[in-house]
Amino acid sequence: AQKITQTQPGMFVQEKEAVTLDCTYDTSDPSYGLFWYKQPSSGEMIFLIYQGSYDQQNATEGRYSLNFQKARKSANLVISASQLGDSAMYFCAMSPTSGSARQLTFGSGTQLTVLP
Amino acid sequence: GAVVSQHPSRVICKSGTSVKIECRSLDFQATTMFWYRQFPKQSLMLMATSNEGSKATYEQGVEKDKFLINHASLTLSTLTVTSAHPEDSSFYICSARVGAGGPTDTQYFGPGTRLTVL
Repeated sequence: AQKITQTQPGMFVQEKEAVTLDCTYDTSDPSYGLFWYKQPSSGEMIFLIYQGSYDQQNATEGRYSLNFQKARKSANLVISASQLGDSAMYFCAMSPTSGSARQLTFGSGTQLTVLP
Repeated sequence: GAVVSQHPSRVICKSGTSVKIECRSLDFQATTMFWYRQFPKQSLMLMATSNEGSKATYEQGVEKDKFLINHASLTLSTLTVTSAHPEDSSFYICSARVGAGGPTDTQYFGPGTRLTVL
């Protein structure tokens, strides 16, 4: 079984500053993938970034980076130079890389508000 | 790339009617599609996993006779809510995945369908 924990229900950040959204996970799978999604008020789930459990380097995608600490089982999302449009709900998720289904397990989400 | 469409975006229906929601992968072939349900201020709850040409696998507690899933092709899956009741009102989101492992296991989501049953 897999479990994702996001302990920050809400976060505030000043525009142009960086913010870290926390995510810890628990799994018995030897190989897995970690994902972050953004859900604005419109409801669409937007894929942000992927990190494989065996990837040596932390993933980066533009202003998004994933601070992956395998020993601590954490996969925090770092957003640099926050913009007003970054205000949204953010979900951390994971899936095993073996097995036929490889379903996503989601955390409870963090509501990020960027202040002007 | 990796665009998933969902139709309709919003539907209001009377209690007892059936509603069909379509999910399409527009620029890739999806080996697997997923259907989720989301209540306000909550996370996504997986309802079922659908592979093209085979029966869907439903999560525990999800009534397969009430939520009919058809995965007719590698680009289309449909969810039919049969005999809808007010408690079925929710936000339904589909996702599609190429599923070749690693980053290609990324699920791409449709924009969602907000169902309101009166």
